[in-house]
Amino acid sequence: SYELTQPPSVSVSPGQTASITCSGDRLGKQYACWYQQKPGQSPMLVIYQDNQRPSGIPERFSGSNSGNTATLTISGTLAMDEADYYCQAWDSSTVVFGGGTKLTVL
Amino acid sequence: EVLLVESGGGLVQPGGSLRLSCVASGFTFSSDAMSWVRQAPGKGLEFVSAVSGNGVSAFYGDSVKGRFAISRDNSKNTVYLHMKNLRAEDTAVYYCAKWPNGYFDSWGQGTLVTVSS
Repeated sequence: SYELTQPPSVSVSPGQTASITCSGDRLGKQYACWYQQKPGQSPMLVIYQDNQRPSGIPERFSGSNSGNTATLTISGTLAMDEADYYCQAWDSSTVVFGGGTKLTVL
Repeated sequence: EVLLVESGGGLVQPGGSLRLSCVASGFTFSSDAMSWVRQAPGKGLEFVSAVSGNGVSAFYGDSVKGRFAISRDNSKNTVYLHMKNLRAEDTAVYYCAKWPNGYFDSWGQGTLVTVSS
């Protein structure tokens, strides 16, 4: 079965750039998207179709996808960005999530 | 504003059945595919099932195939998840999510299903 691999944790200092990767076989041939989940809350879409931001998502969130790796980049990271982040991809009949990355802002 | 409200969760014994419901508002319900995604306690997200806008097409995650069935009633703006032969590993928060084009763009607050004797 298809798998997406994320690092379990990433740390970043406030104001710096955080990058979270998501790896999967030929992932660049599919669309990737990203979700943010804070403790006790439902997930929220922050990037779809590789690099599109839904309405209301700050510009500091961006995405890319090429080869076997999709990347979520948060520029000028704020304390409020501390959360779990999940990547997701799909083809005609399979929806797959990555295992999630805990972003710590310290 | 899109609003998705799940209900139907609770405590069920192993081997039992349960039906979850999700009432939607704030968009043209019949135009979008809908889905269920679950999250076991302290774990990540897992795709459960999705159904097309007209209810004709559906697909499932490997772990629930043959045990769960998704359906929708567009006259009631409601999507359902019929679960049978429940196992302890099905214990999770079940989220209803709108699924327009390969991504989940709106999520409900979730309903907790606990499978235990």
